Amino acid sequence: AQSVTQLDSQVPVFEEAPVELRCNYSSSVSVYLFWYVQYPNQGLQLLLKYLSGSTLVKGINGFEAEFNKSQTSFHLRKPSVHISDTAEYFCAVILIQGAQKLVFGQGTRLTINP
Amino acid sequence: DTEVTQTPKHLVMGMTNKKSLKCEQHMGHRAMYWYKQKAKKPPELMFVYSYEKLSINESVPSRFSPECPNSSLLNLHLHALQPEDSALYLCASRPPGGPYEQYFGPGTRLTVT
Repeated sequence: AQSVTQLDSQVPVFEEAPVELRCNYSSSVSVYLFWYVQYPNQGLQLLLKYLSGSTLVKGINGFEAEFNKSQTSFHLRKPSVHISDTAEYFCAVILIQGAQKLVFGQGTRLTINP
Repeated sequence: DTEVTQTPKHLVMGMTNKKSLKCEQHMGHRAMYWYKQKAKKPPELMFVYSYEKLSINESVPSRFSPECPNSSLLNLHLHALQPEDSALYLCASRPPGGPYEQYFGPGTRLTVT
């Protein structure tokens, strides 16, 4: 079975500072990886995805993530955050074979302080 | 049209009521999902429809009854719910074949009184 661990439940950051949200996964088979963002009282929006190829993937709103197979990690980064980045961030994986079920991490609440 | 829509946005219902949640997409996606999300938690999968057939039921109580009348529409019928069923109900859809990302709707905030 697959599992996803988001190492920080809350991350407070000052505006314009860099941020890294950590995600580790466990799976005996190959997976695709995703980061989703959920703004208050909204659904989930796809930030970025890793399917294959270059391990550094760029997403929307200036976010990027790096896939590290040896460390089974997929950390999310942004060099300079804005107040509008305040949201819940979910890392998720899905099996490459029979890819029906997303497995989510517990989420990281990113709070941007002025 | 590149979005998943859900109605209603908010729903308050008593434990003896019958109500339905609706989800619609016009992106040609052939897999549709229902999730339940409690506060400060990730979404929990409830049901998956693939080509209008129920393919996954995550042991959801029978008071939740899904229906997929056509490839664009997904309903969730609710009956005799409990207060602990209060949550955000999210619908998602996925394109046929790869690359497997799911597109989520804005959700219906359900309160059971």
